[in-house]
Amino acid sequence: NAGVTQTPKFRILKIGQSMTLQCTQDMNHNYMYWYRQDPGMGLKLIYYSVGAGITDKGEVPNGYNVSRSTTEDFPLRLELAAPSQTSVYFCASLGAGGPYNEQFFGPGTRLTVL
Amino acid sequence: AQRVTQPEKLLSVFKGAPVELKCNYSYSGSPELFWYVQYSRQRLQLLLRHISRESIKGFTADLNKGETSFHLKKPFAQEEDSAMYYCALALGDGGTSYGKLTFGQGTILTVHP
Repeated sequence: NAGVTQTPKFRILKIGQSMTLQCTQDMNHNYMYWYRQDPGMGLKLIYYSVGAGITDKGEVPNGYNVSRSTTEDFPLRLELAAPSQTSVYFCASLGAGGPYNEQFFGPGTRLTVL
Repeated sequence: AQRVTQPEKLLSVFKGAPVELKCNYSYSGSPELFWYVQYSRQRLQLLLRHISRESIKGFTADLNKGETSFHLKKPFAQEEDSAMYYCALALGDGGTSYGKLTFGQGTILTVHP
């Protein structure tokens, strides 16, 4: 049981490039989330999904897109990378038992945009 | 909009001393509060949550609605408690919160031998 996995671990992008951050969970959780963490700041919600085919914006969605074609996968897409998107990105899934259960986090992807 | 504030970025104590990590929130409804922890080279993980009224690894946290606080306490700190601690809030409306969390800025706790 790998839990929540994220790839890549590190990435450097040039301004204007695009990339997809991958997130997969093997716990059959319906709810999944993408957060970003800037230096000295807490995590901020980018997008979330309550099940396959259903996604919605979080607090800081601009510059990102998501899709949820399966329960397991929740990729995050950056279309035109900007220096402001330099951050650590965390994917998480919510354990069964309601909205106040534990969220399980991936190891994070450290992204630098130059 | 809801907000979580952790006023201390860094907190240092000696082994065996009491420790208190402060967390204040602003939200007009009834929130659900959590403490998450990230040990060195490990993933962010749940430490405890208000809804469970639990004590984990000797830590407790009491929700004080009058002071809008959810401070994390431990009477005798251990070196293995050194980590980054995040306070987080979920809207207490159950059906439409979808588990979305608002995090504080985090506090780095260092416990010296």
